[in-house]
Amino acid sequence: EPEVTQTPSHQVTQMGQEVILRCVPISNHLYFYWYRQILGQKVEFLVSFYNNEISEKSEIFDDQFSVERPDGSNFTLKIRSTKLEDSAMYFCASSAETSNQPQHFGDGTRLSIL
Amino acid sequence: AQSVTQLDSHVSVSEGTPVLLRCNYSSSYSPSLFWYVQHPNKGLQLLLKYTSAATLVKGINGFEAEFKKSETSFHLTKPSAHMSDAAEYFCVVSETGGGNKLTFGTGTQLKVEL
Repeated sequence: EPEVTQTPSHQVTQMGQEVILRCVPISNHLYFYWYRQILGQKVEFLVSFYNNEISEKSEIFDDQFSVERPDGSNFTLKIRSTKLEDSAMYFCASSAETSNQPQHFGDGTRLSIL
Repeated sequence: AQSVTQLDSHVSVSEGTPVLLRCNYSSSYSPSLFWYVQHPNKGLQLLLKYTSAATLVKGINGFEAEFKKSETSFHLTKPSAHMSDAAEYFCVVSETGGGNKLTFGTGTQLKVEL
């Protein structure tokens, strides 16, 4: 069964540094998402992406965050200047064409900011 | 606005006994509802989905859930728990016509004892 893959599984970064989290969505999916889960808290929506542009973003997704689909397979989340509070598990997801289709999640990248 | 309340943060059952994980939702539009499961150090796996078809939804691994509009509930059940069911379970809502953003509950940790 096709799956969403995320790399790296664990990223350790110094505060203030830039970090890029990478995702390869399921190949025929058109909608892409990022979510995060701070330790002990609920999973939170960050951003959705369709047709090469952001379709919706949460208030968490400020100017420090950006997303990109640099080629036909990868979907990236960049945090420009990381803060301690960015430490979390970041999940990428993708879904097929219609809004009723379920989102399929990767195993996540654990981001630790020192 | 959409929201989900999972009424129990922890549920403990004996192997072979029924499982009930409770979820109530709030939505301004016709909701799509999902249950996802997260095993330790793994991503979020879709168990089942409700998208305005049959109100009793069957999922993987013997789980099912019933959509009750009058009670705004979407409880997850399984007739007989197995040790491998031990995991965290998330009830999730998405509003049809409101974009694809998923709103997660806080999760229920299911423990299965011998």
